[in-house]
Amino acid sequence: KAGVTQTPRYLIKTRGQQVTLSCSPISGHRSVSWYQQTPGQGLQFLFEYFSETQRNKGNFPGRFSGRQFSNSRSEMNVSTLELGDSALYLCASSGTEGSTGELFFGEGSRLTVL
Amino acid sequence: AQSVTQLDSHVSVSEGTPVLLRCNYSSSYSPSLFWYVQHPNKGLQLLLKYTSAATLVKGINGFEAEFKKSETSFHLTKPSAHMSDAAEYFCVVIHTGGFKTIFGAGTRLFVKA
Repeated sequence: KAGVTQTPRYLIKTRGQQVTLSCSPISGHRSVSWYQQTPGQGLQFLFEYFSETQRNKGNFPGRFSGRQFSNSRSEMNVSTLELGDSALYLCASSGTEGSTGELFFGEGSRLTVL
Repeated sequence: AQSVTQLDSHVSVSEGTPVLLRCNYSSSYSPSLFWYVQHPNKGLQLLLKYTSAATLVKGINGFEAEFKKSETSFHLTKPSAHMSDAAEYFCVVIHTGGFKTIFGAGTRLFVKA
């Protein structure tokens, strides 16, 4: 069974640009959540999608957005990039209803903003 | 309100000695508790989970954790550290019945030869 796949693994952008990251969950999983990981702030929850609906959202500005498609694949977008957006962005999928089940993580997309 | 506190940001042990990574949680509801491990530039891997069954939970790679409700703790232990255990470890609380996942700040484990 294939794991969670995130693309691209590494990318470099400049301030003001926008970026789209993709996450393919484990087959059959309907919940996808996104996290930002930085040395200073640690792991921070961005948002969670279940069956194409955003079910929960963290405390990030509106520049951070996401969506989920009917096949459960998810994308997140960051517009007007700032230097502080440099981070490892992790996606996780879950196969159970609600958040009682364990999360399965991808290897992340490392974004560098110059 | 829910919260997770990992009591040590860094722990250093010698190879072959026991490992103890401490985690306290606060939850108004019956929590599901997890430990994850993250190696450099990798995603998080599940080590073990507690979901209201046995209070002593065994995980992969010889790790185990004990759920102590009276102490609101879920400490991670391993009898004998191996060099490959060097990584960052996260204690995670999931609010059963809700959709919130709370991560601890992480504990970085160093293993000396």
